Amino acid sequence: AQSVTQLGSHVSVSEGALVLLRCNYSSSVPPYLFWYVQYPNQGLQLLLKYTTGATLVKGINGFEAEFKKSETSFHLTKPSAHMSDAAEYFCAVSESGGGADGLTFGKGTHLIIQP
Amino acid sequence: DGGITQSPKYLFRKEGQNVTLSCEQNLNHDAMYWYRQDPGQGLRLIYYSQIVNDFQKGDIAEGYSVSREKKESFPLTVTSAQKNPTAFYLCASSIDQVGRGTEAFFGQGTRLTVV
Repeated sequence: AQSVTQLGSHVSVSEGALVLLRCNYSSSVPPYLFWYVQYPNQGLQLLLKYTTGATLVKGINGFEAEFKKSETSFHLTKPSAHMSDAAEYFCAVSESGGGADGLTFGKGTHLIIQP
Repeated sequence: DGGITQSPKYLFRKEGQNVTLSCEQNLNHDAMYWYRQDPGQGLRLIYYSQIVNDFQKGDIAEGYSVSREKKESFPLTVTSAQKNPTAFYLCASSIDQVGRGTEAFFGQGTRLTVV
C-alpha cells in the first residue's frame, strides 16, 4: 500500500522568498504523484501531477515539482512567494496499474506568507 | 460550466439523525469518491464508485452509506452509527481510475456539524 509524508504541518516564508514544501512517498510500484492546493472552506484544486516522462513538472501559479525516484520525493517549489499563495497544500499518490480506490493524501502543509 | 456541485455547503445534524450530502457532476466522469477531512488529518477515503450501481468501501466507511443510481450522482448518507460525524466532506470525480494517472476533480465541500 502506498503512503505519503509531508514534512512540516506549517511552513512560513516571507513574501518574495523561495517556497519549498516537502513530500516523500512510499509505493511498491511506480507512482503517480499530485500536488493540490486548498483555500479555506473550499475544495482542492490540482497544481500539478507527475505520471511518466520528464521528472520536473511545471504547474499553475508558478509552482513546479521534481520527481526523484532515488529519494522517493516529490517536493513542491516556487521561486518567489506571493501573499495569494497562503493556503493548505496536499501531496497525493496513486500506484500505476492500481485500481479505482482513489488517491492517498498526505496530512497537508499550511503555507503562511509573511509580508 | 462543467464541474462538481456539493450541497448544502453547511449542514447541522442532531445526534441520532441520518443526513444525506449531495454530490452531482456534469463532467461525464466514471469514477466518484467521498473523502472526509479533519484538521491535521489530511483526506481519508470513505467510499468510491467506478460505475453505476457499484461502489466500494474506503478506509473509513463505518457509519456511512452511499448509492450510485446515476452516473452523475453519488450521495453520501451519514448515519447515526457514525460516532463523530463533525467534519468537512469532499466529493471528487475522475474520468478514469486514478491508478491510470488521471487526476481527481473536487467539489467545494460540505461542512457537517453535530449540534
